[in-house]
Amino acid sequence: QSVLTQPPSASGTPGQRVTISCSGRSSNIGSNTVNWYQQLSGTAPKLLIYDNNQRPSGVPDRFSGSKSGTSASLAISGLQSEDEADYYCAAWDDSLDGPVVFGGGTKLTVL
Amino acid sequence: QVQLQESGPGLVKPSQTLSLTCTVSGGSINSGGFYWSWIRQHPGKGLEWIGSIYFSGKTYYNPSLKSRVTISVDTSKNQFYLKLSSVAAADTAFYYCAREEEYNSRFDPWGQGTLVTVSS
Repeated sequence: QSVLTQPPSASGTPGQRVTISCSGRSSNIGSNTVNWYQQLSGTAPKLLIYDNNQRPSGVPDRFSGSKSGTSASLAISGLQSEDEADYYCAAWDDSLDGPVVFGGGTKLTVL
Repeated sequence: QVQLQESGPGLVKPSQTLSLTCTVSGGSINSGGFYWSWIRQHPGKGLEWIGSIYFSGKTYYNPSLKSRVTISVDTSKNQFYLKLSSVAAADTAFYYCAREEEYNSRFDPWGQGTLVTVSS
């Protein structure tokens, strides 16, 4: 059971907008920034969004992040086939669960 | 461009100690503001943070693994290490090393990962 809660799966058709949620509590998302990772099949995870809504160099602006209270979201607009991957959220946690916690991951399928 | 590379045995016997090395290139492990971390992923499952170390040797660990984990660093070799003792089949996983921004869950970059199987 992961400390951060994500839906196990999500899907969309090319061109659509998809959102993936990440739910936590006051000790993690509620008081710390959220980072998102993309893991393509058979590869290592890659930083996708940091500090809630910042994109590293090279990440398309189709990817965006947001945070409100104890929840965060990753949005992908203009969905493309190459976006099919697993997505993970992560946050620092000030409780005994921490200090670093991940979500269980969401498998995004492009139909 | 900092790069990380894991190395170590791909097969470990139950009850023994898993030992992995992460070699950092393209940058110094002495650079402040970053911790150096180990993360694992059981096959087909999610990510699990194991622990992190600063170049000074300061560490912090996942509470669920703390009793079995030791992370160390050798700045002269630009390497850091993972030791996980008393392994069992449940420790079979892909093990990744990554650079972590200090006191954050921001891991970037990552190594390519190495699969460690625990089996007799």
